[in-house]
Amino acid sequence: ETGVTQTPRHLVMGMTNKKSLKCEQHLGHNAMYWYKQSAKKPLELMFVYNFKEQTENNSVPSRFSPECPNSSHLFLHLHTLQPEDSALYLCASSQEGYTTSNEKLFFGSGTQLSVL
Amino acid sequence: DQQVKQNSPSLSVQEGRISILNCDYTNSMFDYFLWYKKYPAEGPTFLISISSIKDKNEDGRFTVFLNKSAKHLSLHIVPSQPGDSAVYFCAASEGNAGKSTFGDGTTLTVKP
Repeated sequence: ETGVTQTPRHLVMGMTNKKSLKCEQHLGHNAMYWYKQSAKKPLELMFVYNFKEQTENNSVPSRFSPECPNSSHLFLHLHTLQPEDSALYLCASSQEGYTTSNEKLFFGSGTQLSVL
Repeated sequence: DQQVKQNSPSLSVQEGRISILNCDYTNSMFDYFLWYKKYPAEGPTFLISISSIKDKNEDGRFTVFLNKSAKHLSLHIVPSQPGDSAVYFCAASEGNAGKSTFGDGTTLTVKP
């Protein structure tokens, strides 16, 4: 069983659809993240959660709505997306995250999202 | 302005030789640097890291060098193996490695 599991692996949605991405970590970590990787661009941090509390929103449009019901689960709710939102969305976790510098991220395999 | 740059999109080396991947950064407040490796259809996986108080960290075939005055780090893989073929991302953080700033990645191909 992989440490960080993301579903679905692929998603195609129209601009008026509402969908959700799911992430689950089995590592006992306290911090979870959403990163976005667009074509030919580096990974961009979107949201950070520490102990279920959102501690970072990196100027992400409101059409992306994260939810963290507990330290093991993270969702990204999507609605009225634009074609330029098509990207690979990666979930990650780390042991502590917030105040620890010597951390490393454990990534899921990502959801490849296409918005038509 | 991109704070972490990997100027070589791709690198090809022969099996058994050394692979050197480079990364430059602009933010002098970065204090922790990481390298991640990514295979197709998988998420990035942590490879090696270095704190700004060090200039070298070694783990088996992988060594990371940090030159703070030049704001430059490099990853050396010796000897390179075909299984090392992947995309390598450099990342840097300031106080919280979870909130890392990533480079664009370098695709390494190791030829048998």
